[in-house]
Amino acid sequence: ELKVEQNPLFLSMQEGKNYTIYCNYSTTSDRLYWYRQDPGKSLESLFVLLSNGAVKQEGRLMASLDTKARLSTLHITAAVHDLSATYFCAGKIRGGSNYKLTFGKGTLLTVNP
Amino acid sequence: DSGVTQTPKHLITATGQRVTLRCSPRSGDLSVYWYQQSLDQGLQFLIQYYNGEERAKGNILERFSAQQFPDLHSELNLSSLELGDSALYFCASSERLYNEQFFGPGTRLTVL
Repeated sequence: ELKVEQNPLFLSMQEGKNYTIYCNYSTTSDRLYWYRQDPGKSLESLFVLLSNGAVKQEGRLMASLDTKARLSTLHITAAVHDLSATYFCAGKIRGGSNYKLTFGKGTLLTVNP
Repeated sequence: DSGVTQTPKHLITATGQRVTLRCSPRSGDLSVYWYQQSLDQGLQFLIQYYNGEERAKGNILERFSAQQFPDLHSELNLSSLELGDSALYFCASSERLYNEQFFGPGTRLTVL
């Protein structure tokens, strides 16, 4: 069964700084997703990473996938307060009849002025 | 807005009661997933339906059941509610079995 571990679980950053959130997964995952969740709100899809070496960027966020290391990263560049949220990575395994997402515990990001 | 709708938005009930949560998938999506989010368990997969048929079960309690109707909307039924069932329940939908899942706004259930 797929296990997904994120670290750190809590991240307090200053505006303008860079940081990386790490997502390790236990077995081969066909796809890796990153979601953002604001307090009490739904999950907003940020990135879908499909293959080894995939890199996607949107604004100040960049996600990458290394399937050999079973590692995905979410890099934050020059953080701004609006990025404060909880970020989840999730993996999905193709096979059998189960297409569920397995989520990490989430990283609560707080960007301070 | 993902296009997935869930009702009600909030639900407050007492222990021992039964509630029904409703989900309408995005137009054209055949697959519906239910997830539970709680502080202690995080985000957990409950159950998946595809075109009216149950396809996979996760950590879903026997007191919980779900179905997907011919019009593709889905309902999650929670019975004999306990305090620990208080959580945010999300529905997600995808076009086919393996496509990206889009999440609804969630139903916050509070059991008193």
